[in-house]
Amino acid sequence: RKEVEQDPGPFNVPEGATVAFNCTYSNSASQSFFWYRQDCRKEPKLLMSVYSSGNEDGRFTAQLNRASQYISLLIRDSKLSDSATYLCVVYSNTGKLIFGQGTTLQVKP
Amino acid sequence: NAGVTQTPKFQVLKTGQSMTLQCAQDMNHEYMSWYRQDPGMGLRLIHYSVGAGITDQGEVPNGYNVSRSTTEDFPLRLLSAAPSQTSVYFCASSYTGPAYEQYFGPGTRLTVT
Repeated sequence: RKEVEQDPGPFNVPEGATVAFNCTYSNSASQSFFWYRQDCRKEPKLLMSVYSSGNEDGRFTAQLNRASQYISLLIRDSKLSDSATYLCVVYSNTGKLIFGQGTTLQVKP
Repeated sequence: NAGVTQTPKFQVLKTGQSMTLQCAQDMNHEYMSWYRQDPGMGLRLIHYSVGAGITDQGEVPNGYNVSRSTTEDFPLRLLSAAPSQTSVYFCASSYTGPAYEQYFGPGTRLTVT
């Protein structure tokens, strides 16, 4: 079993749609959680950290469920520019960052 | 600030050749790391460094060497290239360590024939 698992997609949604991605992690002692965005053939960039109480940044909302060991990312009012791959990243108690394989989002006009 | 820079952007090697991928950052970050990204897999940690003179192995270190003689530079050496090392390589840095925002370089696309 992979330490961090994501549905690779692709998720194809129309502009204006709401889309949600989930990510599960296997190490219950994981400490920190992040969503990174990676555009095609580019480097990953931090989208947002995920806090226990959940957090929001504009159209983006991240949630953490420690009991079920998953994190989620909700994107409201999707824009064409949201098309990218979204990487779920977990900082484990082994002191390493573990990356999911990414979920690809394609927003269509 | 240039951030994290990597050279070259693209490289083709023949099996058995050696080369060094360069990485530099100008943000005075202590923590630097190298990842490889392969289709269908998450980024995997090759080597990392918590400061000048200190390096350690990550998840997939075989076939690679690193050194950290300065805070700014963290080169990755491929000792004898193999087709299995065909990948995209990303260098990253952060102020204190992996639990904080990582700043990635633009990547090096390596093909080994």
